[in-house]
Amino acid sequence: QSVLTQPPSVSGAPGQRVTISCTGSSSNIGAHFDVHWYQQFPGAAPKLLIYANTNRPSGVPDRFSASKSGTSASLAITGLQAEDEAVYYCQSYDSSLSNSGVFGGGTKLTVL
Amino acid sequence: QEQLVESGGDLVKPGGSLRLSCTASGFTFSDYFISWIRQAPGKGLEFVSYISGGGNTIYYADSVEGRFTISRDNAKNSASLQMNSLRAEDTAVYYCARGPFSVDGLGSWGQGTLVTVSS
Repeated sequence: QSVLTQPPSVSGAPGQRVTISCTGSSSNIGAHFDVHWYQQFPGAAPKLLIYANTNRPSGVPDRFSASKSGTSASLAITGLQAEDEAVYYCQSYDSSLSNSGVFGGGTKLTVL
Repeated sequence: QEQLVESGGDLVKPGGSLRLSCTASGFTFSDYFISWIRQAPGKGLEFVSYISGGGNTIYYADSVEGRFTISRDNAKNSASLQMNSLRAEDTAVYYCARGPFSVDGLGSWGQGTLVTVSS
């Protein structure tokens, strides 16, 4: 069981908007720790997609955005493209685990 | 540009040992935590261990505490993970990454190295 909860899968048609939730608790996201998002394609290493809740590294399209509120965070992808099909992970930190890093279980995005 | 390269993955028998290495370039290595993260076949990501830039702060997941040892050599821009008493459930791709306590979390990742524990 992951400390952060993500839906196992989401799907959308090309051009649509999808969101991926990341639900935590008062000891992690709710404790004002930053949330980061990673994108992983099959057979490849994860790559940073969003850092510090809302920030995109250079090179990440502005179709990707994220937010955080209370004990949850959310990743949104607009104008869905076939190449967005991947697994997305959220990551934060947890005060009940000595502020160690924790991941969500990952969400598989399927572009229909 | 930043780069991390892991090595040392192999097939090992249960109870055996293995040492993974991570060599970094493109950033000031001693300024950053380095993490080892693993991914079992078909599963999600799990923090295994991390070490601070100076080596004085270390974390181990409960699942590896007492069996794995993380270390780093800032003069060589490298970090290592010594894995002893390996179990079948340690089978995974092991990634090293810069972070996780930077503003950008785990901002750079290596390509991973596969550890298979099987008789």
